Amino acid sequence: GAGVSQSPSNKVTEKGKDVELRCDPISGHTALYWYRQSLGQGLEFLIYFQGNSAPDKSGLPSDRFSAERTGGSVSTLTIQRTQQEDSAVYLCASSLAGGTQAFFGQGTRLTVV
Amino acid sequence: GNSVTQMEGPVTLSEEAFLTINCTYTATGYPSLFWYVQYPGEGLQLLLKATKADDKGSNKGFEATYRKETTSFHLEKGSVQVSDSAVYFCALILRTDSWGKLQFGAGTQVVVTP
Repeated sequence: GAGVSQSPSNKVTEKGKDVELRCDPISGHTALYWYRQSLGQGLEFLIYFQGNSAPDKSGLPSDRFSAERTGGSVSTLTIQRTQQEDSAVYLCASSLAGGTQAFFGQGTRLTVV
Repeated sequence: GNSVTQMEGPVTLSEEAFLTINCTYTATGYPSLFWYVQYPGEGLQLLLKATKADDKGSNKGFEATYRKETTSFHLEKGSVQVSDSAVYFCALILRTDSWGKLQFGAGTQVVVTP
C-alpha cells in the first residue's frame, strides 16, 4: 500500500478482554516495528520483525503481549487479559531491510475501561 | 543505558519567531540521530537525520547538527509558521541495532500562533 495502515484506529475494551491490533506495512518493506505511545512513558519500542521472524522482542512489557507476522506482510499485536495500564496508542512502522528510515502508521488508540 | 532528553513543552511562540528545541543523548557507542514530527491527527514522520558527528540534517527550513562533544542534536528553525505546530521527537538508533529500533525522547509540543 501507499503507507503503513493500522486497524482499528480506535478500540475500547473492557478490562480482562483480549484485543488484536493489525498492521499492514508498506509493500516490499521487510522490517516491521511496533511501538507504544502513552502518557508518562513516551514512545516505547515493543518488537521488531525481519520477515516473519522476530529477532528482537525486548520491549514487550509482559507475557500478555505477543505479536506475529505472516507472509512477510501483515502483523498482529495481541494483548491478552487487558489492563488499564495497557491504554495507549500503539504505533506500527516499517522499513526496507537495511533502510535508514522507518515509516509510521497513524496508530491504534486503545482504551481499557 | 541509552536515553534521549529533550526540553519539555509546550513551547508557544508567534509566527516568524525563531524556534529551538534542545535535545541531548546518552548512548553506548555511536548512534545515528533523528528528529520526527507528529502533526495533529497524523502519524510520525521523519523530519531530518544525521548519522555522524558534525553532520547537519535539514528539511523544511529545520536544521540540526550532530554534536558529539556535547552529545546534542538541537532542532532549529529561523522563522516558524502556524503549520509547524506539532509534537517534535528527538530519537537515536544504535549502530548495533536494527534500523527502526528508535529510542525516543518524550516529545516537545510546539504551538505557533498567528
